[in-house]
Amino acid sequence: SQTIHQWPATLVQPVGSPLSLECTVEGTSNPNLYWYRQAAGRGLQLLFYSVGIGQISSEVPQNLSASRPQDRQFILSSKKLLLSDSGFYLCAWNLGVFEDGYTFGSGTRLTVV
Amino acid sequence: AQSVTQLDSQVPVFEEAPVELRCNYSSSVSVYLFWYVQYPNQGLQLLLKYLSGSTLVESINGFEAEFNKSQTSFHLRKPSVHISDTAEYFCAVSNTGGFKTIFGAGTRLFVKA
Repeated sequence: SQTIHQWPATLVQPVGSPLSLECTVEGTSNPNLYWYRQAAGRGLQLLFYSVGIGQISSEVPQNLSASRPQDRQFILSSKKLLLSDSGFYLCAWNLGVFEDGYTFGSGTRLTVV
Repeated sequence: AQSVTQLDSQVPVFEEAPVELRCNYSSSVSVYLFWYVQYPNQGLQLLLKYLSGSTLVESINGFEAEFNKSQTSFHLRKPSVHISDTAEYFCAVSNTGGFKTIFGAGTRLFVKA
C-alpha cells in the first residue's frame, strides 16, 4: 500500500534561518507531488507541484523553493525564513488521476520566531 | 478561474443533532468536487467525492453531500453528529482536465455534548 511521510512534525526556527522540509512517498511510482501551506482561517494555499523529477511549478512567488531530487521525494526549502512563513505545511500526492483526490501527509507545524 | 466558498467558518452543534456545512463553487468547465476532513494537527483525509452520475454521494461514516449544478453547490450533511466528528472540513474543486485542486477556507465543526 502507498504511504506518505512528512517530517519534522513541528519546527521552531528563528527569522533568517534556513528551512528544509522533506516528504517521501512509498509504494507507488511517478506520483504528482504537492506542497500546500495552511494558515489559520485561510484554507490551503498551493505552493508548488511537481509532475516528475526535476519538474517544479511554482504557484506563489515568495522566498520558498521546492526540489524533487528523486521520484518519490519532494523537498521544501528556504534560505532565509520570514515571520510570515509560519504555518502548517502539507505535502500531498496523487497519480494525476484527479478522480482519486489527494493523499496528504501529516503536516509540519512551522513557527518562525 | 475556479473558486470555492465555504459559507460558514465555524459551526457549533449539539451531539446527535443534524448538521449542514455549506459549499459553493464557481467554474466555467466541468468539475470534480470533494470534501476533506482534518483532525487537529493532522493532514487532510478524503471524506467523499462527486465525479459524475448520482448527485448524492455518501461516506462510510454517515456523511453525505449533494451536487446541485444549478446552484453550484456541494453541501455536506449528516443527520446525527457525534463528538468524534469535531474537525475542520474542506470543500475542494478540480476541473476534469487540470493538475490543480482549489480548496475552500474550511469550516470548523464543533460538536458539543
